[in-house]
Amino acid sequence: NAGVMQNPRHLVRRRGQEARLRCSPMKGHSHVYWYRQLPEEGLKFMVYLQKENIIDESGMPKERFSAEFPKEGPSILRIQQVVRGDSAAYFCASSPPSGGPGEQYFGPGTRLTVT
Amino acid sequence: AQKVTQAQTEISVVEKEDVTLDCVYETRDTTYYLFWYKQPPSGELVFLIRRNSFDEQNEISGRYSWNFQKSTSSFNFTITASQVVDSAVYFCALRGTQGGSEKLVFGKGTKLTVNP
Repeated sequence: NAGVMQNPRHLVRRRGQEARLRCSPMKGHSHVYWYRQLPEEGLKFMVYLQKENIIDESGMPKERFSAEFPKEGPSILRIQQVVRGDSAAYFCASSPPSGGPGEQYFGPGTRLTVT
Repeated sequence: AQKVTQAQTEISVVEKEDVTLDCVYETRDTTYYLFWYKQPPSGELVFLIRRNSFDEQNEISGRYSWNFQKSTSSFNFTITASQVVDSAVYFCALRGTQGGSEKLVFGKGTKLTVNP
């Protein structure tokens, strides 16, 4: 059973470009979470999605950031017009459908560098 | 608001020493879950344990043990006979149950270095 997959693992963008980060949850998991880890910091929640629905986006910056989890295909975290402060590791996690306190399984992360 | 505090930023020990990583949490939820994750130098996050708020029984898994005390809002993690491979950043996390969200609130992590 493959784990959570994220790609790319490393992404370099120049200021003003767009960054697209992809996350494929574990098989059978329908809940996806995105977290951001700034250098020397813990992980900060960004958004929680189920298929075709955003459940909680309380951690998403108000501008430039968006996320989706379509019916088919991976979840996408999109950052428009990136700035240096967006440089961070972005982790995706997935969990099974609700019904229990399922632990979140994390992908390997995408390390975004904005030059 | 929910909060997790890991007061120890960095710990350095010599192999075979025991080491305890502290975690203190704040929540108003009566039901909640606590987690520990390990982040080795390679960067991925490895799930270690989940504990329910209504189960205060301590747990042992090999060299790892966890001490959950609701009275002090603490969920400490002890590694017995540490090894170099235990070197990593360890994160404590909290998930509440109110409001429908299942987000994890992380502490800032404790960087453990085990020297040979």
